[in-house]
Amino acid sequence: DGGITQSPKYLFRKEGQNVTLSCEQNLNHDAMYWYRQDPGQGLRLIYYSQIVNDFQKGDIAEGYSVSREKKESFPLTVTSAQKNPTAFYLCASSTTTNTLGGNEQFFGPGTRLTVL
Amino acid sequence: DQQVKQNSPSLSVQEGRISILNCDYTNSMFDYFLWYKKYPAEGPTFLISISSIKDKNEDGRFTVFLNKSAKHLSLHIVPSQPGDSAVYFCAAGDNFNKFYFGSGTKLNVKP
Repeated sequence: DGGITQSPKYLFRKEGQNVTLSCEQNLNHDAMYWYRQDPGQGLRLIYYSQIVNDFQKGDIAEGYSVSREKKESFPLTVTSAQKNPTAFYLCASSTTTNTLGGNEQFFGPGTRLTVL
Repeated sequence: DQQVKQNSPSLSVQEGRISILNCDYTNSMFDYFLWYKKYPAEGPTFLISISSIKDKNEDGRFTVFLNKSAKHLSLHIVPSQPGDSAVYFCAAGDNFNKFYFGSGTKLNVKP
């Protein structure tokens, strides 16, 4: 049963603490992505990775860090430098084919992070 | 600056009628467009897509139309069902496998 898992579903953190969100996929996808969703807004790209050991900043990377040591895993660390970390975080994966079609993203269930 | 815009935050439609959700984009380099459906506290699920070489793609009750000259795409749902009630996001992708999402339209299909 292939898919993307994110854990935990809900996460609470004290201000000033770093926290790491897990994302695992068994779809054999090369590309993985992290998005943030705030109320009434769309998904904003934090980081993405198209291949193991390589990743690029998205539109709102400040205060976040990632690693891609394995194809299946793309953890996101929310650091204390992130000014407004409370949000819903979504991980996604896709193939990297550049043919027209077939590279839709598959999303995990999300992690809701609340900073107390 | 948002490259993909959904200007209608919400839409209400009677069951059985047509739902039309609209999306505009600014970057002419986008070559792949997608629609996702999202329920609260869940990840989006892929609905339908269209490449820039086409102007229409149909899948059952769902049809996506692309007007490249106007940089506009739309999703038609016919007939609408109460189970279609959700937030719909459009997304556009470039040849770097990077995707840009609109802010979403909340569809309410009334029984």
